[in-house]
Amino acid sequence: AQSVSQHNHHVILSEAASLELGCNYSYGGTVNLFWYVQYPGQHLQLLLKYFSGDPLVKGIKGFEAEFIKSKFSFNLRKPSVQWSDTAEYFCAVNVNTGNQFYFGTGTSLTVIP
Amino acid sequence: EAQVTQNPRYLITVTGKKLTVTCSQNMNHEYMSWYRQDPGLGLRQIYYSMNVEVTDKGDVPEGYKVSRKEKRNFPLILESPSPNQTSLYFCATLGDLNEQFFGPGTRLTVL
Repeated sequence: AQSVSQHNHHVILSEAASLELGCNYSYGGTVNLFWYVQYPGQHLQLLLKYFSGDPLVKGIKGFEAEFIKSKFSFNLRKPSVQWSDTAEYFCAVNVNTGNQFYFGTGTSLTVIP
Repeated sequence: EAQVTQNPRYLITVTGKKLTVTCSQNMNHEYMSWYRQDPGLGLRQIYYSMNVEVTDKGDVPEGYKVSRKEKRNFPLILESPSPNQTSLYFCATLGDLNEQFFGPGTRLTVL
């Protein structure tokens, strides 16, 4: 089975601080990459996705992520976080040759006003 | 409104008592999937279905069954629930752009 690693389990930031959440995956072939957000008590929502092309992808709410193939990474960034960004963030991978999705263990982000 | 619905949203049951969690979608998506979410483990795929009458195991299928008799419904069946199946369960569909749409979740407690 493939694996997806999110090294930051809990992150606490003050408002306006910059955010970077790490995501690494284990599959060496073609992958589709995703970041999902789960606000407290809610279901997962898609933040952004990468299939091909420009490795820097922009998503909703000012988030972006960069795919670095040589590092098997897809890190999520936001220049200036807000209190409303407090949530859990999941990186996910879909291998092009299969129909399964693999999620990381999640990063809990708390933004202090 | 395009949505994925799950029922029930909350369930407390006892070991060994068969239960079914329903999942229904109105987006005409062919692909549907079930996940469980546990603290520190993220989401793990239980089963998925590419289309009617086609189902496949995900990473953690033991103790679960699914059926896909019609496109819109994908129930998750626990024939003999055990306490280690206490979890938060999500149903999801897959759109044409490979984006998953998740249901609201079902919190299951097995005593």
